Amino acid sequence: AQSVTQPDIHITVSEGASLELRCNYSYGATPYLFWYVQSPGQGLQLLLKYFSGDTLVQGIKGFEAEFKRSQSSFNLRKPSVHWSDAAEYFCAVGAKDYGGSQGNLIFGKGTKLSVKP
Amino acid sequence: EAGVTQSPTHLIKTRGQQATLRCSPISGHTSVYWYQQALGLGLQFLLWYDEGEERNRGNFPPRFSGRQFPNYSSELNVNALELEDSALYLCATAWGRTEAFFGQGTRLTVV
Repeated sequence: AQSVTQPDIHITVSEGASLELRCNYSYGATPYLFWYVQSPGQGLQLLLKYFSGDTLVQGIKGFEAEFKRSQSSFNLRKPSVHWSDAAEYFCAVGAKDYGGSQGNLIFGKGTKLSVKP
Repeated sequence: EAGVTQSPTHLIKTRGQQATLRCSPISGHTSVYWYQQALGLGLQFLLWYDEGEERNRGNFPPRFSGRQFPNYSSELNVNALELEDSALYLCATAWGRTEAFFGQGTRLTVV
């Protein structure tokens, strides 16, 4: 069965420091992979996605993620965190069995990011 | 352009009642996805409607049901409400198999 694990429930970083959020997935084939961000009381916003090709993916707001098949990982990174990045971040995998739907997703339980001034 | 609209924003129901949640898609979007975001359980896929048909269903009991209308809007119905149904219900819409955009959700509280 497909699953997504985000090992860190809560991370605190200082403003200006680098960030890496971890994501591991379990899936039989090459998955579709996504990172979303959710601010308090808001819906989810897509940061970036990986389907195929270059394993380093650039997203919005200065985020990037790297797909590593050997480690079944898709970690999210940002070189310098801003206070406005404080939010909850979700990694998700989509099943190609469903015709490549980008909305039929399995989500991790999220990592809450706090930013210290 | 308007985004995905969900109504109501908040809903308070008594255990055993029925709740109806609504989702209006972005213009041109034909797929609607429903998710439950309960405390401690994360985001769980509920239902997927595309072109009026149910395409997939998550691991939820039959008292969770829905439908998609000819204008592609959608309703999620939850019958015989239980306390553990209290959650944020998110709707996402997409055009075909393209990127899905999420609404801001309906907060359902069952008392």
